[in-house]
Amino acid sequence: NAGVTQTPKFRILKIGQSMTLQCTQDMNHNYMYWYRQDPGMGLKLIYYSVGAGITDKGEVPNGYNVSRSTTEDFPLRLELAAPSQTSVYFCASGKQPELNEQFFGPGTRLTVL
Amino acid sequence: GENVEQHPSTLSVQEGDSAVIKCTYSDSASNYFPWYKQELGKRPQLIIDIRSNVGEKKDQRIAVTLNKTAKHFSLHITETQPEDSAVYFCAPGSYIPTFGRGTSLIVHP
Repeated sequence: NAGVTQTPKFRILKIGQSMTLQCTQDMNHNYMYWYRQDPGMGLKLIYYSVGAGITDKGEVPNGYNVSRSTTEDFPLRLELAAPSQTSVYFCASGKQPELNEQFFGPGTRLTVL
Repeated sequence: GENVEQHPSTLSVQEGDSAVIKCTYSDSASNYFPWYKQELGKRPQLIIDIRSNVGEKKDQRIAVTLNKTAKHFSLHITETQPEDSAVYFCAPGSYIPTFGRGTSLIVHP
């Protein structure tokens, strides 16, 4: 199993540009998450999904959108990128509803200039 | 929502010493208490977890203890080694986890 994979690894965006961060898991996990991690900080939840077709906002959803058309894929869309969105983005998945271990992807380092 | 605090924010020890990191939480419904380790430039990975019906769990040099009444749980690392140097996060919850801000552990050879 590849686990959780993310693309791209690095990206530089100009202010106002848009992009999609890709996330795929092959563990048949029902729950998937998107976090952002700013330097020296913990992980803040952006969006999560409890299954295909169902998504919900986390702590910091503004400026982002998600979709979950399949169990495996959970892309994160940034519209009108802003410097405040410069961060490292982690996708994670887990087998729930009982809270369990989260499996993280390798992360995407995004810089908005 | 859940309010999670970790202490200390930085911990510096000599190789062979013990290290203890404490996590306090506010939601009494939390029933899952994990610790994640994140090495520099890497993804967080689970190192140990405990559920609310258990008071302590050990795995070689690491252990987690839980005090549900006082709403805190702690990570204990014995005989620390330089490769234990990393940032450690607690992430308690019942449905969706809330991550603490992390503790940077530095083990000096």
